[in-house]
Amino acid sequence: AQKITQTQPGMFVQEKEAVTLDCTYDTSDPSYGLFWYKQPSSGEMIFLIYQGSYDQQNATEGRYSLNFQKARKSANLVISASQLGDSAMYFCAMREASGNTPLVFGKGTRLSVIA
Amino acid sequence: NAGVTQTPKFRVLKTGQSMTLLCAQDMNHEYMYWYRQDPGMGLRLIHYSVGEGTTAKGEVPDGYNVSRLKKQNFLLGLESAAPSQTSVYFCASSYSRGDVQETQYFGPGTRLLVL
Repeated sequence: AQKITQTQPGMFVQEKEAVTLDCTYDTSDPSYGLFWYKQPSSGEMIFLIYQGSYDQQNATEGRYSLNFQKARKSANLVISASQLGDSAMYFCAMREASGNTPLVFGKGTRLSVIA
Repeated sequence: NAGVTQTPKFRVLKTGQSMTLLCAQDMNHEYMYWYRQDPGMGLRLIHYSVGEGTTAKGEVPDGYNVSRLKKQNFLLGLESAAPSQTSVYFCASSYSRGDVQETQYFGPGTRLLVL
C-alpha cells in the first residue's frame, strides 16, 4: 500500500501568491515524522521542513509552513509569496519510528511559478 | 566538509556491462541509503545500511548489490546492467539516534543510461 500520496502531478501559481501542495500519508505507527524536500531543475534534493507526529503546532520555516491535520493524515506544504525560484519538484516523505526506517517518498508535485 | 558525494556524475553503459557507484560521506553518519528516481515515480529505496558491514534491502533491490566496508562509503553495484536500470541514483545518509526527525542528507545524484 502506498504510504505517501501526492495527488497533484503539477501545479501552477502566480508569482507572489500562496500555494498549497497536498500530501496524505498512511501509517499505524503513533510516532512518525513528515518531511518536505525540494528538487530544482539542477537535481539536488533540498530539505525544507519537518513535522513530528506529536508536535502540537504546525511547523514553519520562513515562507514554508506545514498544514498538519493528524486526523485526516495530511501534511500539506504551504508556500507563501511564491517566487520564480520556487519552481521545482516537491516531495513529501515520511519516516516511521519503529525500526528507525528510511524515508519513504511520494511521487512528487511539479510546481511552476508564473511571472 | 563536502557532505555526501557521488561518483561518477554521469555514465553510459551497454546492456550486460557492470559498474559500481560510489557514495561517500564525511559527516560520520551511521545510516546510508541508495535510491533511484524515475519520472513519475518519486524516489524508491534500493538498499540501505545501518552501519559498517551491514546492509538491508529496500523497495526495489533486484539487480543491485551493495557493500559498506567502511563507515564513510556505500557502494552500489550493477552486475549486469539492463535498460530498466536507466535512472538517476541518489545516495543519502543520516545519523542514527532513533529519532524520527533525523533528516537524510542527499548527494547530487548519478545519471545512468543503459543502452
